Amino acid sequence: GNSVTQMEGPVTLSEEAFLTINCTYTATGYPSLFWYVQYPGEGLQLLLKATKADDKGSNKGFEATYRKETTSFHLEKGSVQVSDSAVYFCALSDPSGGYNKLIFGAGTRLAVHP
Amino acid sequence: DTGVSQNPRHKITKRGQNVTFRCDPISEHNRLYWYRQTLGQGPEFLTYFQNEAQLEKSRLLSDRFSAERPKGSFSTLEIQRTEQGDSAMYLCASSLDLINYGYTFGSGTRLTVV
Repeated sequence: GNSVTQMEGPVTLSEEAFLTINCTYTATGYPSLFWYVQYPGEGLQLLLKATKADDKGSNKGFEATYRKETTSFHLEKGSVQVSDSAVYFCALSDPSGGYNKLIFGAGTRLAVHP
Repeated sequence: DTGVSQNPRHKITKRGQNVTFRCDPISEHNRLYWYRQTLGQGPEFLTYFQNEAQLEKSRLLSDRFSAERPKGSFSTLEIQRTEQGDSAMYLCASSLDLINYGYTFGSGTRLTVV
């Protein structure tokens, strides 16, 4: 079935380090891909998205490129801050049933220390 | 627009009791979703509505769970005869254009069954 696999956390980095969080997917059809972020004590917020192959989504210094050939949507940031500490979820629009809902990965916790 | 609102924020109940949660979506969003999230996991789809019609239910949604969205506005999720395994965060999200904008999530209702 359609699914999302994320790298296991926690990912622990020093401030200003480069961040990569891996996300791969399995899906029929042409899903849209999303990254959501959940800060401590808050709900999930949309971070960025890409709707077709080779699209690059970007927001707040984060980027991810929709790679159909490798079925991946890895999240990157060139220089992380302590305030980026959160749980990051990769998601896709589910092709089964007409792309009407999102399927989420298990999440990757990021901890950035000064 | 105040975003997606969920009430209550926390609910502690004894096993066997019934509980009901409420979600008020963004007013112009025609789609409303319920998800469940347990510790260390990503959100799992439960059900969704387009306007007042419930269009899909997950196999996770046992007979003890029921959801409604009268008049296509707010929604309620009821769990009857709660079990300890029902303890989780219940998330509501709404959307107008899933493919291009994804969901807007509420802050969730945390259920603890004792």
